[in-house]
Amino acid sequence: EAGVTQSPTHLIKTRGQQATLRCSPISGHTSVYWYQQALGLGLQFLLWYDEGEERNRGNFPPRFSGRQFPNYSSELNVNALELEDSALYLCASSVVRGITGELFFGEGSRLTVL
Amino acid sequence: AQKITQTQPGMFVQEKEAVTLDCTYDTSDPSYGLFWYKQPSSGEMIFLIYQGSYDQQNATEGRYSLNFQKARKSANLVISASQLGDSAMYFCAMREGTGGSYIPTFGRGTSLIVHP
Repeated sequence: EAGVTQSPTHLIKTRGQQATLRCSPISGHTSVYWYQQALGLGLQFLLWYDEGEERNRGNFPPRFSGRQFPNYSSELNVNALELEDSALYLCASSVVRGITGELFFGEGSRLTVL
Repeated sequence: AQKITQTQPGMFVQEKEAVTLDCTYDTSDPSYGLFWYKQPSSGEMIFLIYQGSYDQQNATEGRYSLNFQKARKSANLVISASQLGDSAMYFCAMREGTGGSYIPTFGRGTSLIVHP
């Protein structure tokens, strides 16, 4: 069974540009979570999609946005890139919405903003 | 206030010894789940162990056990018989019920280095 896949693995952009990151969840998983992992800050929650709808978003500006497609894959868009957006962006999927379901993570997309 | 606190930025342990990684949490929700993940240098987060707030016994998964002290709001991870491959970042996380909308919240992590 294929795990969570993310693309691209690495992405280099300059300030002001836009970045698009993609995620394919494990087959059968309807929930997708996006996290930002900047150096030394742990994982910060960005967005949660479930059944094609945005269910919740973290404390990030509106230039962070995304969507979930009918096949449950997801894309994260970051507009007007800033230097501090440089981070590892992790996507995770889950089949259980409640407190018991662990997340299955992809290997992440490392975004570098110059 | 932080929901998950991991006070040890880095830990060192000798191969084959046991090590405890600390995690304290903050919630007023009676229903929650606690998780530990391992993140090797490759970046992928790997699920290790789960403990539910209503579970009476401490969770165990192979060499991993979770020392759950509900009154103290602590959920420490114990790794027995450490191996070189255990060197990684370790994250404690929590999913709360209605208060947290089930969104997993993570601590800042502990870097574990296993010496030969």
